[in-house]
Amino acid sequence: EVQLLESGGALGRPGGSLRLSCEVSGFTLSTSAMSWVRQAPGKGLQWVATVAGPAGRTYYADSVKGRFTISRENARNTVDLHMRSLRAEDTAVYYCAKSNGSNFDNWGQGALVTVSS
Amino acid sequence: SYILTQPPSVSVAPGQTATITCGGNNVGRYSVHWYQMKAGQAPVPVIFHDRDRPSGIPERFSGSNSGNTATLTISRVEAGDEADYYCQVWDGDSDHYVFGTGTTITVL
Repeated sequence: EVQLLESGGALGRPGGSLRLSCEVSGFTLSTSAMSWVRQAPGKGLQWVATVAGPAGRTYYADSVKGRFTISRENARNTVDLHMRSLRAEDTAVYYCAKSNGSNFDNWGQGALVTVSS
Repeated sequence: SYILTQPPSVSVAPGQTATITCGGNNVGRYSVHWYQMKAGQAPVPVIFHDRDRPSGIPERFSGSNSGNTATLTISRVEAGDEADYYCQVWDGDSDHYVFGTGTTITVL
């Protein structure tokens, strides 16, 4: 059974940094594509970042490119999202999701990130 | 960037059919996926690749995609179908995943 468990949700300051982590089980992380998707309060779903394939190629939404970094630690079965230069508009529930080609076939329960001074 | 537009809300009586549209420029050339999101819960896939149901999704859920509109149809609507629904594609031109604007289904 595929399981995804996020951790690291917290209160961050504008301009500060936070790291989210997603621990996975039930599949081989090293050959899978993994993503982060977020939902701001009262808003819709927004894709944030993806790390894909054995080479670990990364993709980012324009709104986070240059500020967020997605990484995959195969030995620890984790996928991290390093968030820097935080903004108020980064406030959201962040979901870890397993990507299966063009879609997301498994999701974690989400981690709340609040950016406020 | 590619844009997918959905109606903000759809209301339907129990037992009737709900139809949610997902409009995009030539969306028929993309593979469209649909997710159900209930309050406080993670998204659940209900349709993959235009019309395929994941394991455990009732046959009441169906999808189609042609031209500039993809459609999710929920037949014999139940109170438990109340949720937000999102369409989604992978845009290979930009290497971005794109979600639709979302539709809230209200069961009267």
